[in-house]
Amino acid sequence: DAKTTQPPSMDCAEGRAANLPCNHSTISGNEYVYWYRQIHSQGPQYIIHGLKNNETNEMASLIITEDRKSSTLILPHATLRDTAVYYCIVRVATGGSYIPTFGRGTSLIVHP
Amino acid sequence: DAGVIQSPRHEVTEMGQEVTLRCKLISGHNSLFWYRQTMMRGLELLIYFNNNVPIDDSGMPEDRFSAKMPNASFSTLKIQPSEPRDSAVYFCASTLYGDRVSGYTFGSGTRLTVV
Repeated sequence: DAKTTQPPSMDCAEGRAANLPCNHSTISGNEYVYWYRQIHSQGPQYIIHGLKNNETNEMASLIITEDRKSSTLILPHATLRDTAVYYCIVRVATGGSYIPTFGRGTSLIVHP
Repeated sequence: DAGVIQSPRHEVTEMGQEVTLRCKLISGHNSLFWYRQTMMRGLELLIYFNNNVPIDDSGMPEDRFSAKMPNASFSTLKIQPSEPRDSAVYFCASTLYGDRVSGYTFGSGTRLTVV
């Protein structure tokens, strides 16, 4: 399994963009990058995923470097409700499914 | 859809007692995962099922833990006998096998305290 490395914590001002980095230098060609977040006392919530192209949805944008060795999750206008632990996961393939293996993630604090 | 439903939300039990945690999958999902979360070890995968069949239970700590899917929409995780070190938040998650689009949906968890 490709390992991911994330900073343990970050902070961001409300209304500003939050850029959360993830290093996955051993990622293989058919592995996807997924992002989840976990708000306190809740289960993890899927945010976005990508293979090599940049992706955007209603929650966030995902920028993957050309060599695919790192990626950045962007919350364009962070709110207080975005305070959570953010997990970057590289797909572990078993048959047609993937098994998220969670590291320690990045604890993002959005302050007023 | 009500999402993945776990019960109970909180469970406090005495050491040695049997504990049963329950999980209802999202309708149409056919893969089910049980995770455990502690401060020390973070989120750990315990076991997962595809189409009611256990695929990998290598994360199950020991024989005191067992998980079943009696039908396609429901799963139980049983601990017998329970020990204080089993205290954790237990999450289940479901997905549609092979679906890389929507990701996993997690329940709200069961906070287990064994005293």
